[in-house]
Amino acid sequence: EIQLQESGPGLVKPSQSLSLTCSVTGYTITSGYDWSWIRKFPGNKMEWMGYISYSGSTNYNPSLKSRISITRDTSKNQFFLQLNSVTTEDTATYYCAKKRRGFDYWGQGVMVTVSS
Amino acid sequence: DIQMTQSPASLSASLGETVTIECRASEDIYSNLAWYQQKSGKSPQLLIYAANRLQDGVPSRFSGSGSGTQYSLNISGMQPEDEGVYYCLQGSKYPYTFGAGTKLELK
Repeated sequence: EIQLQESGPGLVKPSQSLSLTCSVTGYTITSGYDWSWIRKFPGNKMEWMGYISYSGSTNYNPSLKSRISITRDTSKNQFFLQLNSVTTEDTATYYCAKKRRGFDYWGQGVMVTVSS
Repeated sequence: DIQMTQSPASLSASLGETVTIECRASEDIYSNLAWYQQKSGKSPQLLIYAANRLQDGVPSRFSGSGSGTQYSLNISGMQPEDEGVYYCLQGSKYPYTFGAGTKLELK
């Protein structure tokens, strides 16, 4: 069975970078599909942040401008989120997810708080 | 960006009642719409994709319909385990965009 699991620090200081890892088991991320990061803000708003495809191409939400980077380590079957220059507005629960016909597999989510 | 207007923001339904949640897109999304359920403390779960296709393992009381800019999710017979927040998501154009969510509670 496909499983995704996020990991990373739960607290980040303003102006610093947020870095998260999504570890995938049960499927090789270079075999197919798009692998996304999605976040849920306090109050229920959801935002798709971007993806890295099985071929390594990326696509980002323009709202994040040049702050976001999604990369991968194929040897570890992991992909990563880096979000630079964070503010308190980036406080959210971050999910990684696999997209086939919809986002059919999700990680359990990691709550990240941006605070000094 | 395509704006997804979801309604209602919240509703309360009795056991066995039929529930309808709607999403309106700011432009034609050609049935590239999915519905998700998120229970408290859990990750979102895909219910419906391509506007009306039931995801494997999802109970048949869930159904989706619509086209163009108007879509709906129906639950035929509310069950206690259906409580949660429901979201629509358009996948027609980047960036993908979500509706604001509908909180569904059992009356």
